[in-house]
Amino acid sequence: DAGVTQSPTHLIKTRGQQVTLRCSPKSGHDTVSWYQQALGQGPQFIFQYYEEEERQRGNFPDRFSGHQFPNYSSELNVNALLLGDSALYLCASSPGTSDIYEQYFGPGTRLTVT
Amino acid sequence: ILNVEQSPQSLHVQEGDSTNFTCSFPSSNFYALHWYRWETAKSPEALFVMTLNGDEKKKGRISATLNTKEGYSYLYIKGSQPEDSATYLCAFSGYSTLTFGKGTMLLVSP
Repeated sequence: DAGVTQSPTHLIKTRGQQVTLRCSPKSGHDTVSWYQQALGQGPQFIFQYYEEEERQRGNFPDRFSGHQFPNYSSELNVNALLLGDSALYLCASSPGTSDIYEQYFGPGTRLTVT
Repeated sequence: ILNVEQSPQSLHVQEGDSTNFTCSFPSSNFYALHWYRWETAKSPEALFVMTLNGDEKKKGRISATLNTKEGYSYLYIKGSQPEDSATYLCAFSGYSTLTFGKGTMLLVSP
C-alpha cells in the first residue's frame, strides 16, 4: 500500500500564475481533504471532497478550487497566485467524511510564489 | 473563528524524561479531538482520535486524556527517546471542519 501520495514535491511559481497540485489517497479511502500550512502555523483546512463533490470548505477565497476524480484522486487549483499563497499544501485521505476517522496525510507540496 | 491552543510551543528534554503537552479547545459543540505526530521530512501520523469525555488512550509510551467539559486534552510521553523528537499537533472537530493547533515541538537529547 503506497499510502497517500502528492505531486509535485516542490514548486516555484510567479505572482499571478496558476498552479495545480495532485493527490492520490490511500487505498480504500474515498474522502480527500486539503490543508495549507503557512510558516509557524498549524494546518488550515481548505476543503474536503467526497463522491466527486466539495462537501466542506474552510475560509479560503474562490481562487482555491478543487476536483475529485472517479478513482478518488484529487487536484487542488490555485488561480492568480499571491505571495501569501507560499506554503506547504497537505493532502489527507480518510475512509469517510466523519471527523471520527483519523486523517492519513501525504508528504505535502511546498509551493513558493515569487 | 475556533481557537485551538497548544502549550508549550516547544520543549527540550533529556532521554528518559517524561513529558506532557496541553491542547485547549472550545468546550461547546465537541465532536472529536485528534492528536498527530509530525517528524521532520515525513508526513503527519495519527496517534489518537478521541470522542468521549474522560477518554484515555494509549499507544506504547504515549498516552492521551480528554476533558470535553473544560475543553482540554493532555498528551503524555513516558521515558522520552530521541526518536520521539517531532512536532505534536492536536486538531478539534466541532461538527464542522478539523481545526489544528500550531503544535508543540519536542526535542529529546540523548
